[in-house]
Amino acid sequence: EVQLVESGGDLVQPGGSLTLSCAASGFIFSDSWMSWVRQAPGKGLEWVACIKKDGTEDYYLDSVKGRFTISRDNAKNSLFLQMNSLRAEDTAIYYCTKDRRGGIYDFHDSWGQGTLVTVSS
Amino acid sequence: DIVMTQSPDSLAVSLGERATINCKSSQNLFYNSNNRNYLAWYQQKAGQPPKLLIYWASTRESGVPDRFSGSGSGTDFTLTISSLQAEDVAVYYCQQFYYTPRTFGQGTKVEIK
Repeated sequence: EVQLVESGGDLVQPGGSLTLSCAASGFIFSDSWMSWVRQAPGKGLEWVACIKKDGTEDYYLDSVKGRFTISRDNAKNSLFLQMNSLRAEDTAIYYCTKDRRGGIYDFHDSWGQGTLVTVSS
Repeated sequence: DIVMTQSPDSLAVSLGERATINCKSSQNLFYNSNNRNYLAWYQQKAGQPPKLLIYWASTRESGVPDRFSGSGSGTDFTLTISSLQAEDVAVYYCQQFYYTPRTFGQGTKVEIK
C-alpha cells in the first residue's frame, strides 16, 4: 500500500523559510515522479511543483518559481519542498503526491494527508 | 494557464438518484496521437486528502465503485454518479494534465437532499 507522510508544516512570518518533507513507502520511490499540490483553507487545489524520478528535472508553478525548490533523496525515499520568501498567499495545506505516468503532463494517483503551512505575522 | 470551470458549484441529490457534474476546459484536452483526453477526476471528503477516481476522462481507477463514470471529449466533460450513496458526499474536482501548469476546477460539492 502506498503511504506518503508529510511533515514540517508550521506558522512562519512573511519573508520566512520552511522545508517540508514527505516520507514515501509501499512503492518503488525511485521509479516515480513526485509532486506537491496545495490547498488554501476552504479553497481548491493548486499544483505547485513536480520532480523527475532521478531528480534531474523539476517544474514549478509560476508564482513559486525562484522561491520554492523541490528535491528528493531516493536513498531515503523522501521528497522535499524548500520554501523561501514566504507570502501570506502561500498559506495552505501542502500535499505530497505520487504521479502516475511520469512526466510533466500527469495526474496524481496517491496523496498524503497533508501538512499545514501558515504564513502570518 | 488553462481554466477549468465546473458546474454547478454545489448540488443536492436524493439517495439512489443520479448526480451529474460538468467540467469545461478553456482549451482542447484531446490528443490525437494517442486518442486520449488528458482529464482526471478526484473526490475529496471532509478532512481528507483528494482521491483519484477517473483518468483519461473515462478510465475508472482500481477499486472505485462502478457507479462513478466519466465521459466527454475535447473541452467538455462529465462525472456521473449513477446512484448516490451516503458515502459519496464530498467535493469533486476535475484536473487537466495536457498543459503545464496542471490545473484543477474549482470543485463541486455534492450533498444529500
